[in-house]
Amino acid sequence: DAKTTQPTSMDCAEGRAANLPCNHSTISGNEYVYWYRQIHSQGPQYIIHGLKNNETNEMASLIITEDRKSSTLILPHATLRDTAVYYCIVRVAFGGSSNTGKLIFGQGTTLQVKP
Amino acid sequence: EAGVVQSPRYKIIEKKQPVAFWCNPISGHNTLYWYRQNLGQGPELLIRYENEEAVDDSQLPKDRFSAERLKGVDSTLKIQPAELGDSAVYLCASSLDILSTGRDTQYFGPGTRLTVL
Repeated sequence: DAKTTQPTSMDCAEGRAANLPCNHSTISGNEYVYWYRQIHSQGPQYIIHGLKNNETNEMASLIITEDRKSSTLILPHATLRDTAVYYCIVRVAFGGSSNTGKLIFGQGTTLQVKP
Repeated sequence: EAGVVQSPRYKIIEKKQPVAFWCNPISGHNTLYWYRQNLGQGPELLIRYENEEAVDDSQLPKDRFSAERLKGVDSTLKIQPAELGDSAVYLCASSLDILSTGRDTQYFGPGTRLTVL
């Protein structure tokens, strides 16, 4: 089962920032937070990931709370092409368990960017 | 750099027929994954390969599904015989390796949409 909780859907106006929340209250110390998105009829696309520090790349920013129990993905200037399902995934990154590296997808958040 | 390549993109078959999907991972990626995505759901892992070795196939329905990655590069996923419930998108992903932080990000192909009639 997915270890994250996300809103089912969100709307955002084109050009505005899109802030997508994710709860992962049972996250362990060796688990990363990953974000992927899936545009209709395409495979999932990697966006960003982080352990405990905030991260930024050319696509988005990831803000992780100090207790690591929740995070927010920020698309600073949403465009119509950002309309997609966004998945927040908690992933075991190290430790040698059978779940190491495994991506367990939930239902995700459907983001609709409107003109 | 070329991404993960999958073929065919679409496949329609009658139930009880066999079907095969092919995946070519990103060059140099040692780890390869097959996922299945049912309509309206997130992808679910079927099998993971480290080079040519299947190291996690616990979710693969072994009575009808099989997979191979003979030379540690390309991979084939087969269903024989297909059932109506196998209709889904089959996704392939690859990563450099699994245990090195920064090298384990998975990159997905476009998927094969299978329809079983």
